[in-house]
Amino acid sequence: EIVMTQSPATLSVSPGERATLSCRAGQSVSSNLAWYQQKPGQAPRLLIYGASTRATGIPARFSGSGSGTEFTLTISSLQSEDFAVYYCQQYNNWPPAFGQGTKVEIK
Amino acid sequence: QMQLVESGGGLVTPGGSLRLSCAASGFTFSDYYMSWIRQAPGKGLEWVSYISSSSSYTNYADSVKGRFTISRDNAKNSLYLQMDSLRAEDTAVYYCARDLNIAAPYNWFDPWGQGTLVTVSS
Repeated sequence: EIVMTQSPATLSVSPGERATLSCRAGQSVSSNLAWYQQKPGQAPRLLIYGASTRATGIPARFSGSGSGTEFTLTISSLQSEDFAVYYCQQYNNWPPAFGQGTKVEIK
Repeated sequence: QMQLVESGGGLVTPGGSLRLSCAASGFTFSDYYMSWIRQAPGKGLEWVSYISSSSSYTNYADSVKGRFTISRDNAKNSLYLQMDSLRAEDTAVYYCARDLNIAAPYNWFDPWGQGTLVTVSS
């Protein structure tokens, strides 16, 4: 199983600032990576697939980049509704595997 | 509007059984693979099982293989997870999710249901 490692565990950011979240795969996953957002008490919501393609209805302030083993989710200007936990997931190798999450909190 | 609604969670003693259900609406259920994904309290996400659109293929995480059985009824737009020989470490919120794939080896997931809590404790 591929191990997905996200950093940092917690990111403190002020509203309006940029947030940069990292996800590292234990071996290459090509561009087969998705990002999800989860708010307390809610189900995860798909943000990005194919490492950089925004899902339907996702604001343009969310962008994904990377390939191989190193990936980044960038939120260009944090809004109040963006404070949440973010997970990456690889779907290049069996079984599909998630990172442990990055919590984005208000600074 | 696509929607997935899970039910069937609750408190069960170790060694017991539980059957989860997931009702789908807003999309052609029979066209899609479906998965169960769980989240232990305060923890991350763990994929549990998937089933193909026609039920021809299923697969399970090693942690549940031989104890859990996934099934579906396309006529009822419903997905199920039969959980037997439950253990304390199976305690989690269980989500059903639709599998998506565009020329990729495996799948990502969208949308997800709101989840149902399974607690295994004596």
